[in-house]
Amino acid sequence: TQLLEQSPQFLSIQEGENLTVYCNSSSVFSSLQWYRQEPGEGPVLLVTVVTGGEVKKLKRLTFQFGDARKDSSLHITAAQPGDTGLYLCAGSYYGNNRLAFGKGNQVVVIP
Amino acid sequence: SQTIHQWPATLVQPVGSPLSLECTVEGTSNPNLYWYRQAAGRGLQLLFYSVGIGQISSEVPQNLSASRPQDRQFILSSKKLLLSDSGFYLCAWIGRTSGIPQFFGPGTRLTVL
Repeated sequence: TQLLEQSPQFLSIQEGENLTVYCNSSSVFSSLQWYRQEPGEGPVLLVTVVTGGEVKKLKRLTFQFGDARKDSSLHITAAQPGDTGLYLCAGSYYGNNRLAFGKGNQVVVIP
Repeated sequence: SQTIHQWPATLVQPVGSPLSLECTVEGTSNPNLYWYRQAAGRGLQLLFYSVGIGQISSEVPQNLSASRPQDRQFILSSKKLLLSDSGFYLCAWIGRTSGIPQFFGPGTRLTVL
């Protein structure tokens, strides 16, 4: 059973377009992390969201944690080829240092 | 600053051969350490985690084992590799005082032939 469902699994867009990807669960998380992974490399942490309804911005990337702490979204404004990668969301539970990962959103930005 | 290393970066091994992958962390003490395997289309699967020297928890039954001989060293092993052990192996750590998030190493690409 996949605790975190990420959609869409694959997304291809033109440079300059906007995109949003989603991470959904029926579980409540104490925090949620977003990572970006490039082929052959380890995931790199982008952001951690902790509070329900929290919005964090990282340059052109906007992350939102759902009010009920069960879901999250990542919005990229004016996507660049450097945004290409696999975006992974991971949720952690109260008092537990293990993370539950989604399968990822593969994003391809075409120049 | 903290850094995490994995060795080797890539490995090609025949079926039935032994395996030893190493992960070391620098710049922190008493980290929680994790081994994941990433297969195409299946996301990250947690294999083992450790909260201290000699303390190993296994998440799924498998052909692999893990050991933590030193505070900042985590080793993934197998006595006899299977074809299904192929994948991308990632080590990660959490600072004991910070709790979250997990930081990942560069990974090891293992191909079993």
